[in-house]
Amino acid sequence: DAKTTQPNSMESNEEEPVHLPCNHSTISGTDYIHWYRQLPSQGPEYVIHGLTSNVNNRMASLAIAEDRKSSTLILHRATLRDAAVYYCILKNAYSGAGSYQLTFGKGTKLSVIP
Amino acid sequence: DTAVSQTPKYLVTQMGNDKSIKCEQNLGHDTMYWYKQDSKKFLKIMFSYNNKELIINETVPNRFSPKSPDKAHLNLHINSLELGDSAVYFCASSQDRQWRSGYTFGSGTRLTVV
Repeated sequence: DAKTTQPNSMESNEEEPVHLPCNHSTISGTDYIHWYRQLPSQGPEYVIHGLTSNVNNRMASLAIAEDRKSSTLILHRATLRDAAVYYCILKNAYSGAGSYQLTFGKGTKLSVIP
Repeated sequence: DTAVSQTPKYLVTQMGNDKSIKCEQNLGHDTMYWYKQDSKKFLKIMFSYNNKELIINETVPNRFSPKSPDKAHLNLHINSLELGDSAVYFCASSQDRQWRSGYTFGSGTRLTVV
């Protein structure tokens, strides 16, 4: 799976929008962009994923650049509960049996200021 | 009803002991995983099973032995525990065509070897 680059940390004020960037310049046409987050003392949690079009769900929005070399996870109103490490991960749609796993990088640690 | 459940949540044991961690998923997923998160918070894949068959065995000491009695269960047995085995171990599951949907993680087992 192709590599992603994220800032180590970001801060946001409570109730303001947060834009978490991810660069993936070597993305292939069949790589899906997945976002997970890990709240303190919990397991990673699925947030959202997409291929080419922007995606929305109850947790967040995913904005994908037209050339797909970058994407942004958008939290519309940050709450204290959103303080977590956010991981941007690429998964190829045709991964073989030896590549089913998610490969985690260091992610972005989001701090939310009350 | 917990989707991926691990037991125990905490495990404190002495060096040299043998211990097991259990994982069960009720999502009907085909693939299950064990991840290790060390003190630096880096999540690393250890094992992956698809339909009860081992498909990934990363560079893990052979003191670690996974066992999958059926698709819904993946247990981790650790022999001759060492101080360096102290970490949080996460179980996860997914459908084999994982790009269609997210992975689901358990809440983790914090293993402390003293």
